[in-house]
Amino acid sequence: RKEVEQDPGPFNVPEGATVAFNCTYSNSASQSFFWYRQDCRKEPKLLMSVYSSGNEDGRFTAQLNRASQYISLLIRDSKLSDSATYLCVVNQFYFGTGTSLTVIP
Amino acid sequence: NAGVTQTPKFRILKIGQSMTLQCTQDMNHNYMYWYRQDPGMGLKLIYYSVGAGITDKGEVPNGYNVSRSTTEDFPLRLELAAPSQTSVYFCASSYGDLRYEQYFGPGTRLTVT
Repeated sequence: RKEVEQDPGPFNVPEGATVAFNCTYSNSASQSFFWYRQDCRKEPKLLMSVYSSGNEDGRFTAQLNRASQYISLLIRDSKLSDSATYLCVVNQFYFGTGTSLTVIP
Repeated sequence: NAGVTQTPKFRILKIGQSMTLQCTQDMNHNYMYWYRQDPGMGLKLIYYSVGAGITDKGEVPNGYNVSRSTTEDFPLRLELAAPSQTSVYFCASSYGDLRYEQYFGPGTRLTVT
């Protein structure tokens, strides 16, 4: 079983839509969780860390569900500039394959 | 601050050749990492280092070697290049362990033919 699994998408959504991604992890003892953003042919960059209590940064909300072993990312009011691949990361260096998002005008 | 820099940006190697991918960070981070990313895939950890003189294998270390003689530099050596090593290689650094974000370099696109 893979350490981290993500739905690869692609997700194609209109501007202004709300979209959610999930990511499951296999190790119940995992300690840290992150969402990174990767633009085409660029390096990953941290979008946000995911805390047990959940956290929000503007239009982005991240949640952790330890009982079901998944993390989620919610993007509200999608912008064209949100088009990218979103990578979930567990325990710093276990990466999911990424979920591709395209926001359509 | 330049952050994490990598050279070269692109390279084409013939099968059996060797090369070193350079990585330097100016953030005084103790932890450094090498990943490879194949098309449509997530990043796979090749090697990592928690400080000068200390390195350890990641998930996919075969065919690679590393050294860490200084805090700033973490070169990745490919010996006897094979087509399976065609990939994008990212170097990253972080302040500490699991809880800390990683800062990535711009990547090296390597093709082995």
